[in-house]
Amino acid sequence: AQKITQTQPGMFVQEKEAVTLDCTYDTSDPSYGLFWYKQPSSGEMIFLIYQGSYDQQNATEGRYSLNFQKARKSANLVISASQLGDSAMYFCAMREVNTGGFKTIFGAGTRLFVKA
Amino acid sequence: DGGITQSPKYLFRKEGQNVTLSCEQNLNHDAMYWYRQDPGQGLRLIYYSQIVNDFQKGDIAEGYSVSREKKESFPLTVTSAQKNPTAFYLCASIPGQDNYGYTFGSGTRLTVV
Repeated sequence: AQKITQTQPGMFVQEKEAVTLDCTYDTSDPSYGLFWYKQPSSGEMIFLIYQGSYDQQNATEGRYSLNFQKARKSANLVISASQLGDSAMYFCAMREVNTGGFKTIFGAGTRLFVKA
Repeated sequence: DGGITQSPKYLFRKEGQNVTLSCEQNLNHDAMYWYRQDPGQGLRLIYYSQIVNDFQKGDIAEGYSVSREKKESFPLTVTSAQKNPTAFYLCASIPGQDNYGYTFGSGTRLTVV
């Protein structure tokens, strides 16, 4: 069965430093996508980055990069040069292509606190 | 600008009452979704629809109903059969491609009083 695990309920990082948020997943579908979303205190979920299971290179979007280790079933999010506005909940998510319907499952999230 | 509008932002329901949460999108997306979020938990799928007049149950559909009469609209009704409806509800949409992330609305916080 598909599953997403985020083991860090909360993380602290100093402003301008890099931080890694952990995510492991489990699936039997060889074709899947991995996503990270940000949820500020306002509540709206914001899509950050996508990694396909067949992508050879790690995905990057500005200050966000996804450290994809397929054999370990790991998809960690790296935020470089943290800013105060990065304080939020972060959710790792997965979509199995063969399940159909573009359905996505979400992990429990990690709350990131950026310190000035 | 294109996006998803959810209303109301806050909703209070009395015991035994049905309430409807609105979700409207002007992104021309085919697929729409309703997720429920409880404190300290991730999102759980309630219902989804890939085309007009068709929808499927998600993981926690009991006590909820939906309709998809127009491409732009996907309202969610929380019925009296839903015994623990207090939660944050998020609507999302996606064009029909696997490598796209969802676009979410700003959510509706439902509280039973």
